[in-house]
Amino acid sequence: RKEVEQDPGPFNVPEGATVAFNCTYSNSASQSFFWYRQDCRKEPKLLMSVYSSGNEDGRFTAQLNRASQYISLLIRDSKLSDSATYLCVVGTLGGKLIFGQGTELSVKP
Amino acid sequence: GAVVSQHPSRVICKSGTSVKIECRSLDFQATTMFWYRQFPKQSLMLMATSNEGSKATYEQGVEKDKFLINHASLTLSTLTVTSAHPEDSSFYICSARYREAAGELFFGEGSRLTVL
Repeated sequence: RKEVEQDPGPFNVPEGATVAFNCTYSNSASQSFFWYRQDCRKEPKLLMSVYSSGNEDGRFTAQLNRASQYISLLIRDSKLSDSATYLCVVGTLGGKLIFGQGTELSVKP
Repeated sequence: GAVVSQHPSRVICKSGTSVKIECRSLDFQATTMFWYRQFPKQSLMLMATSNEGSKATYEQGVEKDKFLINHASLTLSTLTVTSAHPEDSSFYICSARYREAAGELFFGEGSRLTVL
């Protein structure tokens, strides 16, 4: 079983749609959680950290369920510029970050 | 924000040669840097943790004699792929944590290695 697993993609949605990504992690001792965004052939960039209480940043909402070892990302009112691969990332006690395989999102006009 | 610079961005080499990739933190000191490898359509895989002034810590399955890591200063880590082979062709990305207590990693632009 992979340490971090994400929904297989790609997700093809129209502009304005709401899309949700799911992620599960296997190590119950994981300490920190993030969503990164990676554009094609570019380096990943931090989209948002994920906190136990859930957090929102504009059109993006991230949630964490430690009991279920589950992380989610919700994007509302999708824009063309949201097209990218979204990486679920889990931080370990030792400070290492483990990446999921990514879910590709394509927003169409 | 913090900036991590990686060089070269692209390199093509012949099989059997060695290639060095540099990773620099431009406006902060990084005692720890991380090297990742990413194959097409796959996740970033952590190769090793580079520690300033000491030996790198390699992940299971990563050959330390093939992927030499040197972290000689607080702003520079290098990855040398020795005796490269076509199967080493990949996207190599370094990263550094801006503040030790914070989780965010800043990534270099990545280096695409093609071994002929």
